[in-house]
Parts: sequence; structure tokens; C-alpha cells
Amino acid sequence: DQQVKQNSPSLSVQEGRISILNCDYTNSMFDYFLWYKKYPAEGPTFLISISSIKDKNEDGRFTVFLNKSAKHLSLHIVPSQPGDSAVYFCAATGYDAGGTSYGKLTFGQGTILTVHP
Amino acid sequence: DAGITQSPRYKITETGRQVTLMCHQTWSHSYMFWYRQDLGHGLRLIYYSAAADITDKGEVPDGYVVSRSKTENFPLTLESATRSQTSVYFCASSEGSGGDIGTQYFGPGTRLTVL
Repeated sequence: DQQVKQNSPSLSVQEGRISILNCDYTNSMFDYFLWYKKYPAEGPTFLISISSIKDKNEDGRFTVFLNKSAKHLSLHIVPSQPGDSAVYFCAATGYDAGGTSYGKLTFGQGTILTVHP
Repeated sequence: DAGITQSPRYKITETGRQVTLMCHQTWSHSYMFWYRQDLGHGLRLIYYSAAADITDKGEVPDGYVVSRSKTENFPLTLESATRSQTSVYFCASSEGSGGDIGTQYFGPGTRLTVL
């Protein structure tokens, strides 16, 4: 049961244009969402996050949007740069029915972003 | 350097051998995690630890053993390696659980090949 899904294995965009990476989740107990970027032969690095009490969070060229009713989040990169070429993972965490934080992240399968000069 | 380190970075072993992957963090983070990354599966949690001497299973714990006698170290042992355990292994740590203190920071990974 894949609770966090990234349905696009890859995305190719031109330098300077917008990159939009999508992520869907099924667990309604998730309340905090994160995006990580991963270059080859390196560990994932934290990029940006959003709490379920918000619907948007910006950090420079990166903006994450959360649509709770659709259980969907997206990462926008504007403008895209060749150095943004990497694998992007979305991740989610939350609380169980008893109110205890999971403390764990559930990751999507990742999307390979390629930005062409 | 401060941060989270893993050793070895690359390891080749044979089926049936015991292998231990090391993870060390200098932030004094309470939580530590072990993941494996396989094509088509993203990152899957093997084991995690909320504090020294407290560990719990993740999504794919079978064939692995962990211990955490000190806050800064979280070794992962494959007691009898199998070919299906060929993967890239990542260690991570976080200050706490939930919200922004639950943000995890990852080590550089260990690429393990089981022949």
C-alpha cells in the first residue's frame, strides 16, 4: 500500500521555465509534508516543507502547495536551472489515532527532474 | 566535520556473510533512521530509534538488526546477507518527531553489493 505516490517518474523542462513536481497521499493522518532533493552518489537533502495548517510555503525559487481536500501537494521551481537536475522525493509524516507522532517519514518513489540549458 | 557520516561508502560481500554498516552523527539528535533505496521503491524505512536503547521496526526490517548504545551511533547489521539486500543504504537523524523538528538529515549513503 503506497501511501505517498509520485506518479511521474521523470520530468524534463527548459532552463528558465517552471518545473512542477506532483505528489499524492492517501493517509488522512499525515499533517506535515517535505520535499527532498537527491543528486547521484549523495544522500537526500532537505529542500522545503509545509504544515497541514498552510496551503503554501515559499523559499526563494521553491514553492510548495498543499491541497488537503485532494490530498495533493506540488513543488514549483521558478525559474528552473540546470543545477536543479536531480531526483526529487516528497515525504509525509503525521500522528496516529492516539495522537502520538509517527516520528517517521513515508517517501514517494521519486521524480527525476532534468533541466536543459 | 559536524554532521552525519556513514561507513563504509562502498561494500561488496558474499551471500551468508555478516555485514555491519556504521552511522555516526554529531548533532546529538534524538532520532536516527535507516533506509534502503531501490529503483521503483523510493526510500523505505528499515529501522528507527527514538533515543539510545530504544529501537523499532520500519517497513522492511526482515534480515536486519540494529542497536543504539550511544546517542551518536546507530549501526545496521545484516546477519546473513542475501542478494536481495543489494541496495543503497541511507542513515538519517532528526532532532525530534513531528513538524519541523522532525525534519530528517541524511548521510551520504553506503552502496552494498551482495554476490
